[in-house]
Amino acid sequence: DGGITQSPKYLFRKEGQNVTLSCEQNLNHDAMYWYRQDPGQGLRLIYYSQIVNDFQKGDIAEGYSVSREKKESFPLTVTSAQKNPTAFYLCASSIYTGTGYSPLHFGNGTRLTVT
Amino acid sequence: GQQLNQSPQSMFIQEGEDVSMNCTSSSIFNTWLWYKQDPGEGPVLLIALYKAGELTSNGRLTAQFGITRKDSFLNISASIPSDVGIYFCAGNSGGSNYKLTFGKGTLLTVNP
Repeated sequence: DGGITQSPKYLFRKEGQNVTLSCEQNLNHDAMYWYRQDPGQGLRLIYYSQIVNDFQKGDIAEGYSVSREKKESFPLTVTSAQKNPTAFYLCASSIYTGTGYSPLHFGNGTRLTVT
Repeated sequence: GQQLNQSPQSMFIQEGEDVSMNCTSSSIFNTWLWYKQDPGEGPVLLIALYKAGELTSNGRLTAQFGITRKDSFLNISASIPSDVGIYFCAGNSGGSNYKLTFGKGTLLTVNP
């Protein structure tokens, strides 16, 4: 089955530690995205990448970093500089159709808890 | 930045009732999307709208792209318990990238 795999489902870290969230897709999608979701809030864009070795900051990039070394992989690192890292993190992907991008397809998320 | 106002924030209905929720934007969008999210899962696309005035159905769901391009609504007819979840609207204003702006969601509870 094609899809987006986010791992792990639950992640616990101590304050001050960096942590990397994995996102892999086998949909051959061109663009990949990271969103953060907090209770009662919409999804806020952290970073996105439209091609390999290139990525752009979203609306809340501070304290996060990403890489896009392979088309199918877009890991997100939550650094110790992120002031409030506890959240539900969603990875998504989209394919370029020639005239635009398809609607986002989401993974099932990673819930990060930092204490 | 762009903002989407989604209402209502939550709804409690009886099984069999119809549901309506909407989103309004401070700016024009070229695409409106509606997603549903089950607890602990990622959002799943329900309906995509690409043209002002477009009315699209997906089973018991119907969504419309407002003619001003600043609003959209989603209707669910004859609700069932599995309709429970959070419904999000999202809009894209076009351009070379594809960045969605999301509403804050409508939490739907269906009492059997």
